[in-house]
Amino acid sequence: DTGVSQDPRHKITKRGQNVTFRCDPISEHNRLYWYRQTLGQGPEFLTYFQNEAQLEKSRLLSDRFSAERPKGSFSTLEIQRTEQGDSAMYLCASSLVENEAFFGQGTRLTVV
Amino acid sequence: AQSVAQPEDQVNVAEGNPLTVKCTYSVSGNPYLFWYVQYPNRGLQFLLKYITGDNLVKGSYGFEAEFNKSQTSFHLKKPSALVSDSALYFCAVRGEGLSGGYQKVTFGIGTKLQVIP
Repeated sequence: DTGVSQDPRHKITKRGQNVTFRCDPISEHNRLYWYRQTLGQGPEFLTYFQNEAQLEKSRLLSDRFSAERPKGSFSTLEIQRTEQGDSAMYLCASSLVENEAFFGQGTRLTVV
Repeated sequence: AQSVAQPEDQVNVAEGNPLTVKCTYSVSGNPYLFWYVQYPNRGLQFLLKYITGDNLVKGSYGFEAEFNKSQTSFHLKKPSALVSDSALYFCAVRGEGLSGGYQKVTFGIGTKLQVIP
C-alpha cells in the first residue's frame, strides 16, 4: 500500500496520560499535515511540515501538543497530559507542493 | 479570515437522479477549491480541485464541480447518482498565498449525501 498510513487506528487512554501517534506519508511527498476532526465537523488544521521543517502551527495546537518530522520522512504527534476534550480523530495528510493532499485513515483517540 | 459554508447538513436523492451538493466560500485573493469524500471510519479521499482555467472541473467517480466567482460558489454535481455515492462530502478552500508562504486549507462541516435505491 503506497498511501498515507497512520498508527494506531484507535487509541483509548486515561485522562492525564501521554499518547503518541505516527504518520507515514507517501514517500515522494515533501509536505505533511496534521488535522483534527470532531464529530459533525470538518477537519481543522493543526500543523504543517515541509520536509523536516515545521512551518506552521495552528492556535489549536496547545503547549501539550508537539509534532516532529525527523529526516523529513515519518511524523509523530504527541499529546501530553491528555484531556477529555482531546478526544477526536487525528488525520495526517501529505502532498507535493501545490497539489492536493492525500489523507490517511486517521487515529481515533478516546480519552476516558 | 477564510471560510467555507455547506448550507445543507444532508442531501437525499434517488438513485439515477442528478445530485448537487452546495458550497460557498470566502477567501482573500483567488481561491483554490477542493472537494473531498469521506466514507465511514475512513480518511478523506480527494475528488477534484479548481485552481484556474475552465470553471467546470471534472473529477473522480463521475463527479464535477462548477466554480462561480460572482456567487463565490463551488457546487459539486453528478448527472446520475449511485447508491455507493452515499457518504460525507467536504468542500475546502485556501487562499492564493501571494507572499509565497503557507496558506492553510479550511474545510466546511460536511454534507451527508444519501442516495436512495
